[in-house]
Amino acid sequence: SQQGEEDPQALSIQEGENATMNCSYKTSINNLQWYRQNSGRGLVHLILIRSNEREKHSGRLRVTLDTSKKSSSLLITASRAADTASYFCATDRGSTLGRLYFGRGTQLTVWP
Amino acid sequence: AAGVIQSPRHLIKEKRETATLKCYPIPRHDTVYWYQQGPGQDPQFLISFYEKMQSDKGSIPDRFSAQQFSDYHSELNMSSLELGDSALYFCASSLGWGKYGYTFGSGTRLTVV
Repeated sequence: SQQGEEDPQALSIQEGENATMNCSYKTSINNLQWYRQNSGRGLVHLILIRSNEREKHSGRLRVTLDTSKKSSSLLITASRAADTASYFCATDRGSTLGRLYFGRGTQLTVWP
Repeated sequence: AAGVIQSPRHLIKEKRETATLKCYPIPRHDTVYWYQQGPGQDPQFLISFYEKMQSDKGSIPDRFSAQQFSDYHSELNMSSLELGDSALYFCASSLGWGKYGYTFGSGTRLTVV
């Protein structure tokens, strides 16, 4: 079964707009991560947020984590066509062995 | 900076053949993970190694086996290949079981015909 569920499944926006993707999970976690994947390519790590953190920034990326609601959001500000990709959240389900459980991902398309 | 290196990038095999995928982790990373990503699917955990010992096992078929060698590179061996094994196979490495994050390789795309 899937740990993370991203919504929306697909998001289409214009360049310059902000893109918000959400992720929900069902168990306790040590941390939650967001990854980006261009079509058929490798996974690129974006941000890791720990369970005791509520918000984290990296450049145009902002991630929030609400452990009471078991949800996280990824905000990409001032989006660019190059941001077009699939975005996945992944959690560890509280495991200390390092295994990641991925959600189904959000396909983001940014139109020039 | 060095990344996780996977080889080959692409592999085409026939049904019932055997395939071997290789992964070279980032130097000094002590844990290696293998994931399988089917078309349009999210990555699924297969198996991991910590300091050359198997540390965790996921939904890996019995036809698959993996090991980590003394130089820390890892190999995923897949036998009696089936059409459904066609997927992107990722290797990732980390320090300290991922508490500092993970680095993924670019993947090996396996096509079984």
